[in-house]
Amino acid sequence: ETGVTQSPTHLIKTRGQQVTLRCSSQSGHNTVSWYQQALGQGPQFIFQYYREEENGRGNFPPRFSGLQFPNYSSELNVNALELDDSALYLCASSLPGLGYNEQFFGPGTRLTVL
Amino acid sequence: AQSVTQLDSQVPVFEEAPVELRCNYSSSVSVYLFWYVQYPNQGLQLLLKYLSGSTLVKGINGFEAEFNKSQTSFHLRKPSVHISDTAEYFCAVSEIGASGGSYIPTFGRGTSLIVHP
Repeated sequence: ETGVTQSPTHLIKTRGQQVTLRCSSQSGHNTVSWYQQALGQGPQFIFQYYREEENGRGNFPPRFSGLQFPNYSSELNVNALELDDSALYLCASSLPGLGYNEQFFGPGTRLTVL
Repeated sequence: AQSVTQLDSQVPVFEEAPVELRCNYSSSVSVYLFWYVQYPNQGLQLLLKYLSGSTLVKGINGFEAEFNKSQTSFHLRKPSVHISDTAEYFCAVSEIGASGGSYIPTFGRGTSLIVHP
């Protein structure tokens, strides 16, 4: 069984640019969540996708957007990058349903904005 | 809205000594509680969770945590730590029934456990 994978591992961009991060969910998982983890902080929820639809969003501006594909992989897009966007971006996949379903995290993409 | 406070940003301890990492939460409804571990350059791994039932929860790698509803706490403990336990530990809370049933945790800022030989 393949775990959650993310690409790229590291990325360096300059302020104002756009970036796309990718996530492949664990086999059989159709729910994907994205988190931003700034240095020295805990992960903060960005949004969640279930069956290609956004299914919850945290306190992030619209320049953070996402997609989920029919194979349940997902992308996080960030436009007009700012210095404060520098962080580790984590993707987590899970099964849907009421109550608790464990999220399995990928290793993350480290984004540096110069 | 839910929130999590991890009272210690860094906890240094010697190998084979006991350790406790403290976590308090705030919520107006019932919650699920979690501890995650993050090793350098890796994602999060679930250590243990409290969903319901017994307030003493046992997890992987010899860790355990106790849910105390009256004190709104969920402290993590291990009786004897190893060098390999050096990592960042995150407490998280999720309100039951929120977000249409989707589980979306709120994380604390993390506690860095540093185990010295």
